[in-house]
Amino acid sequence: EPEVTQTPSHQVTQMGQEVILRCVPISNHLYFYWYRQILGQKVEFLVSFYNNEISEKSEIFDDQFSVERPDGSNFTLKIRSTKLEDSAMYFCASSESNTIYFGEGSWLTVV
Amino acid sequence: GQQLNQSPQSMFIQEGEDVSMNCTSSSIFNTWLWYKQDPGEGPVLLIALYKAGELTSNGRLTAQFGITRKDSFLNISASIPSDVGIYFCAGRRGSNYKLTFGKGTLLTVNP
Repeated sequence: EPEVTQTPSHQVTQMGQEVILRCVPISNHLYFYWYRQILGQKVEFLVSFYNNEISEKSEIFDDQFSVERPDGSNFTLKIRSTKLEDSAMYFCASSESNTIYFGEGSWLTVV
Repeated sequence: GQQLNQSPQSMFIQEGEDVSMNCTSSSIFNTWLWYKQDPGEGPVLLIALYKAGELTSNGRLTAQFGITRKDSFLNISASIPSDVGIYFCAGRRGSNYKLTFGKGTLLTVNP
């Protein structure tokens, strides 16, 4: 069964460093998303991406964050100058229409 | 912003018992999704609901899209130990497919 894959599964980074989280969405999907889940909390929307541009973003998705689809298969989330409070599980998701499928997440720890 | 109120926050039940959880909102949603999340993993889609009043089953799971479009419930019948996890409701409004998540229901099943 097709699935959303994410790398790395876990990354530890120094505060102030840049991080790139990578995702391969399901191949025939057109909509891509990043969500975040701080430990013990609910899943929060960060950004959606369609037709090679951001279609919606939340207040969490400030200038520190950016997304890119560098080729036909990858979808990346870049976090510049990471802060301690960026420590969370980051989920990539994709959809063809109404139903959104999630990857297994990238656990980011900022120290 | 849009808020989903999910209850109960946690449940501790005996194996074989039935379980019910629900989500309510002050806003109308046009899609309701129910996900299960195991520790350290991404949300896995259980049931998707697209029309008001829709009642859908997936094995021992049954979910309904409320008539008012402001609520949904999930029932699990004859619970088993592998049902343990966090269950999230998620709703979608508009055409952008962004999901708003509830805070989750932590289910513990005692064998």
